[in-house]
Amino acid sequence: QQQVKQSPQSLIVQKGGISIINCAYENTAFDYFPWYQQFPGKGPALLIAIRPDVSEKKEGRFTISFNKSAKQFSLHIMDSQPGDSATYFCAVNDYKLSFGAGTTVTVRA
Amino acid sequence: GAGVSQSPRYKVAKRGQDVALRCDPISGHVSLFWYQQALGQGPEFLTYFQNEAQLDKSGLPSDRFFAERPEGSVSTLKIQRTQQEDSAVYLCASSLGDKNNEQFFGPGTRLTVL
Repeated sequence: QQQVKQSPQSLIVQKGGISIINCAYENTAFDYFPWYQQFPGKGPALLIAIRPDVSEKKEGRFTISFNKSAKQFSLHIMDSQPGDSATYFCAVNDYKLSFGAGTTVTVRA
Repeated sequence: GAGVSQSPRYKVAKRGQDVALRCDPISGHVSLFWYQQALGQGPEFLTYFQNEAQLDKSGLPSDRFFAERPEGSVSTLKIQRTQQEDSAVYLCASSLGDKNNEQFFGPGTRLTVL
């Protein structure tokens, strides 16, 4: 069964805007929550990750917000740029990764 | 340093043929994973090695799928008697070995079964 549910399936944002992607999980045993970015023809690459002992982690324009009680976490892309156009996957990790279905982000110039 | 490499990058097979997909992990990485990514979907776990030991093969979809890593470095994923539903991108990832170490992915092999 799917370990993590991701939404939306796709989104379009104007350059400079904010992209928000949400994920929800069920198993409270997970303790590592990475986000991967994938460009066409490439493998996924780690973007940012968080552990459940913090509620937020920021790296440059990318921020993860984590709500342990709600079992939800989200990725915020601030000041979105055309180069951010890609597919983003949330995941949960218990040594193997279980990925969400992905969100295709298109940033319009 | 080199990342994870996979070969071939593209493979076209006729239904019923056997195929072999190769993964060269990052040097020194203990853990190696294979994932299958269908078009428009997230990658799905197939199997996991720690050194040469295959510790988890619960994601392999059928007994036509077989993976090996005999010397604890290069790994091969073999699919026997390919079917159309096997068409997907097969991704290999490696990591240092601790549970939450970053997994580094290769570019994948796109398999098309006609």
